[in-house]
Amino acid sequence: KQEVTQIPAALSVPEGENLVLNCSFTDSAIYNLQWFRQDPGKGLTSLLLIQSSQREQTSGRLNASLDKSSGRSTLYIAASQPGDSATYLCAGVNDYKLSFGAGTTVTVRA
Amino acid sequence: GAVVSQHPSWVICKSGTSVKIECRSLDFQATTMFWYRQFPKQSLMLMATSNEGSKATYEQGVEKDKFLINHASLTLSTLTVTSAHPEDSSFYICSATRREAEAFFGQGTRLTVV
Repeated sequence: KQEVTQIPAALSVPEGENLVLNCSFTDSAIYNLQWFRQDPGKGLTSLLLIQSSQREQTSGRLNASLDKSSGRSTLYIAASQPGDSATYLCAGVNDYKLSFGAGTTVTVRA
Repeated sequence: GAVVSQHPSWVICKSGTSVKIECRSLDFQATTMFWYRQFPKQSLMLMATSNEGSKATYEQGVEKDKFLINHASLTLSTLTVTSAHPEDSSFYICSATRREAEAFFGQGTRLTVV
């Protein structure tokens, strides 16, 4: 069974600082790894999808890397803004099923 | 990105009644949809896999008679919480998976059973 861990559980930074969010998974045979954002009381917004054959994906200020051999993925958010405050979830995809980490709650202080 | 619409976004019901939640993929056909449950400050737990035209596959520990799933078309899956009780109060979220296995989620439904 895929188990996903996210560290840290919470993070508070001043505006403009770069964010580094870590995700580790136990089953290296994942099909994809996906990063999501969740605002309080809301659903999930897909941020980046990294397929198993890829090492990273970029979208705007977001960059995510994937190292299957070490079972790790990292989400980088450059030049953080208060609007980036949310919970970020990573999920490993096996057989189309997603296994989620507990998330990292980010607060960006103005 | 793709759009998955979930309705209602919140519902309050009396104990013992049933509640239906709809999940629609608006711009792609989804042969498989997933239903998750999320408790406060916790991550998402997969409840069941909804398969178009066949029975849902439930995760261990999920009562199939309490959480009825119907996937009648390629764009619609429904979750019915039967004889709801306060312990069923939770946040329920559906997802649909498109090609390349990218998952898109609905807005979620906050169920409160009183």
